[in-house]
Amino acid sequence: AQTVTQSQPEMSVQEAETVTLSCTYDTSENNYYLFWYKQPPSRQMILVIRQEAYKQQNATENRFSVNFQKAAKSFSLKISDSQLGDTAMYFCAFISHNNAGNMLTFGGGTRLMVKP
Amino acid sequence: DAGVIQSPRHEVTEMGQEVTLRCKPISGHNSLFWYRQTMMRGLELLIYFNNNVPIDDSGMPEDRFSAKMPNASFSTLKIQPSEPRDSAVYFCASSLVAGYSPLHFGNGTRLTVT
Repeated sequence: AQTVTQSQPEMSVQEAETVTLSCTYDTSENNYYLFWYKQPPSRQMILVIRQEAYKQQNATENRFSVNFQKAAKSFSLKISDSQLGDTAMYFCAFISHNNAGNMLTFGGGTRLMVKP
Repeated sequence: DAGVIQSPRHEVTEMGQEVTLRCKPISGHNSLFWYRQTMMRGLELLIYFNNNVPIDDSGMPEDRFSAKMPNASFSTLKIQPSEPRDSAVYFCASSLVAGYSPLHFGNGTRLTVT
């Protein structure tokens, strides 16, 4: 079974600074995808960024980027130029694919507070 | 694209009452997932459907919980009878079966059982 671990329950960062959220996972599969979801106080789950395991290049979406270390099974999220609107829970997620379809496993989440 | 639509947004009920949560997935998506979110246990997968067929319901906590998907555009999660420990946010999500498609979530239903 796959597991996803986020070791930082809470983090804070000053506005305009950079913060990195950690995520590790455990799997015996070779092909999979990883995601970061953001859940603001409105509780909506928003897809932030995705990474294909077969790609060595780290994914980037504007101020959001990942550091994907496949051998170490690590998938951290870097937020540059933090904004107040980045305050939210962040969930790392692993997706595996079998004949039955997709299964998404979430980490426990990291609560990020961006301070003015 | 209207996204995944869940109703109601909030539900308050008394212990012992029946509760029905509703979900309309994104048109064209053929996988549907029900998750429960609590502070203690985080996001838990309750059940998921592919092409309207339940594939894995091992996350359904008890026989009091049941889920149906009568067609590709509608699913329900029913709790009967409800208990205070069922209080949580319930999310519905949908995706495509093929490929590593991300899940698209609804806004959730906050259930409070008193």
